[in-house]
Amino acid sequence: GAGVSQSPSNKVTEKGKDVELRCDPISGHTALYWYRQSLGQGLEFLIYFQGNSAPDKSGLPSDRFSAERTGGSVSTLTIQRTQQEDSAVYLCASSWSGELFFGEGSRLTVL
Amino acid sequence: DAKTTQPTSMDCAEGRAANLPCNHSTISGNEYVYWYRQIHSQGPQYIIHGLKNNETNEMASLIITEDRKSSTLILPHATLRDTAVYYCIVRLYTGKLIFGQGTTLQVKP
Repeated sequence: GAGVSQSPSNKVTEKGKDVELRCDPISGHTALYWYRQSLGQGLEFLIYFQGNSAPDKSGLPSDRFSAERTGGSVSTLTIQRTQQEDSAVYLCASSWSGELFFGEGSRLTVL
Repeated sequence: DAKTTQPTSMDCAEGRAANLPCNHSTISGNEYVYWYRQIHSQGPQYIIHGLKNNETNEMASLIITEDRKSSTLILPHATLRDTAVYYCIVRLYTGKLIFGQGTTLQVKP
């Protein structure tokens, strides 16, 4: 596709359930980022993948959060045992040379 | 990680230049300054970036001080559509970008 694609666009889940959020970056982009944005807040860095290097996981808030990137392309962010404070918009971005291209985000609501 | 400091909010009159400041006093020599903006409920949009020299593109100008400890984003003729949250970011040599809270710019008619 022409841009970064994220799915689902909206997800409502019950507390304690696991969720998976998907990001399909722009073809050829070697870098992929996940951010989280709570209502009225700035972007919180979660994780960064660059090529075949080990990902920078320093922003993951707890061990309930994990992410993988298969084949250097699609990435999945998994949140286990969701809590209400996980409710936010999860934004994915990809990059080739520094400029980030963002998707429209996945809005997660944990009831 | 290098941190940036921006004012929480600013107002600007339509048609006037909007000057958005950013402090990044801990920036290292090989780290770039990036600016993005986020219009309500949309994903952030790239504006401009620079290392040492001032930069200009069709959207804005970026002025970086000689010591690189601060910069200013200039929107030369602000319009109502420029109302957004503007983020100043330091791109680490690893490629990692950390967003701060940004400056909410309100352009008023």
